[in-house]
This record gives sequence, structure tokens and C-alpha cells, in this order.
Amino acid sequence: QSVLTQPPSASGTPGQRVTISCSGSSSNLGNNYVYWYQQHPGTAPKLLVYRNYQRPSGVPDRFSGSKSGTSASLAISGLRSEDEADYYCLAWDDSLSGWVFGGGTKLTVL
Amino acid sequence: EVQLVESGGSLVQAGGSLRLSCAASGFSFGSYWMSWVRQAPGKGLEWVANIKPDGSEKYYVDSVKGRFTISRDNAKNSLYLQMNSLRAEDTAVYYCAKDYFDNWGQGTLVTVSS
Repeated sequence: QSVLTQPPSASGTPGQRVTISCSGSSSNLGNNYVYWYQQHPGTAPKLLVYRNYQRPSGVPDRFSGSKSGTSASLAISGLRSEDEADYYCLAWDDSLSGWVFGGGTKLTVL
Repeated sequence: EVQLVESGGSLVQAGGSLRLSCAASGFSFGSYWMSWVRQAPGKGLEWVANIKPDGSEKYYVDSVKGRFTISRDNAKNSLYLQMNSLRAEDTAVYYCAKDYFDNWGQGTLVTVSS
């Protein structure tokens, strides 16, 4: 049972827009930044969004992050086959004094 | 270019010990928080521990407190994870990551046999 709650799966067709949610509490998302990562099978995770909505250089603007209160979401527009991967949210938890990941969402591009 | 290269993973018996290393290059290692993150086979990511740039603060996930120790040598641009009293549930790929996990190593596999 992860501290941050994500749907286990999501899907969409090429060109569609998909959103992945991440729900937490006042001790994590309510008080700290959220980060999002993409992981393809057998590879290390890759940072997609940092500090709620900022994108590292090289990450397409098809990926966008937002946060409101104790919830956050990652939106992927113009879905492409290479977007099929696992996605994780992350935040610092003040009560646990540690970082907490969401359980991960497996995105399937139909 | 930032590079993080983990090493030290292997097969070990339950109750045994292992020391993981992470060699860093391409950035000012001594200026950043560093972390270890693990991923059990077929499972999600789990943060394990992190350490302040000067080594004065360390934090751990509850499941490894008292068994694992994170450390660093800024002169050698290296991060370490000493793992003692290993359990089957510690079996995972262990990644080192920089700062807010903006860069990751390729991971090293630790397998604990019971």
C-alpha cells in the first residue's frame, strides 16, 4: 500500500490525451512538490516533471504536470506508441521524513 | 554529462552483508543530495535512503533502519550503501540517484536467497 495512490493502469489510442492521477495527503503532496518519472521495461526511470509542472530540457511539451492541494496529475497529449511505459509520482513526506513513490501506473497505447 | 555507475550487487544468503557503490561523474558531486532507490522484481520503485551533501544528515525508509547505512566520499565522488542482515524481501535492483532523482544509474541487482 503506497502512501501516494495512483491508478494501476491507464490506456489510450495514438493521438489521444491521457491523464494519470496521484493522490496523497497534507504531509506529502499538500506541502511539497510532486515529481513524475517514466520507466520503460528493463531501464532506469527518467525524470519527466519536477516541482509540480516544470519539464527538464529534452522532455517534450506533450508531457505536463499539475498539482492542486493533495492531488496531482500528469497529462500526456498526442499519445505515441513510445509513451507505453510505467509512470510514477514522487514527493517528500514530512511525517515520514522520507521520499514516497506512488505505486505506479502502467500506460498502454492501444 | 552526468554519469552514475552502480556496482557491488550479487547473490547473497539471508543474514549476510553487501556493500553497494555508486561512482559519480559529470557534476559537482559534493554539492548534491544523493539517494538509493530499489525496485523488487515486477514491483514499483521504493526510496531507500538519502544523504546530505556534507554527509551530516541521513534518512532511511523504515524497513531498512538499523540494517542499512548510507555514506559518501566526496573526495572520491562516490556514494555507498552498506547492507547488513539482508532478507529475502531486500531482493531488488538498486539505483543511485542524484538530487531530486533527475539522474539515475543503470542499477545493480541484489539477490538474497533464503
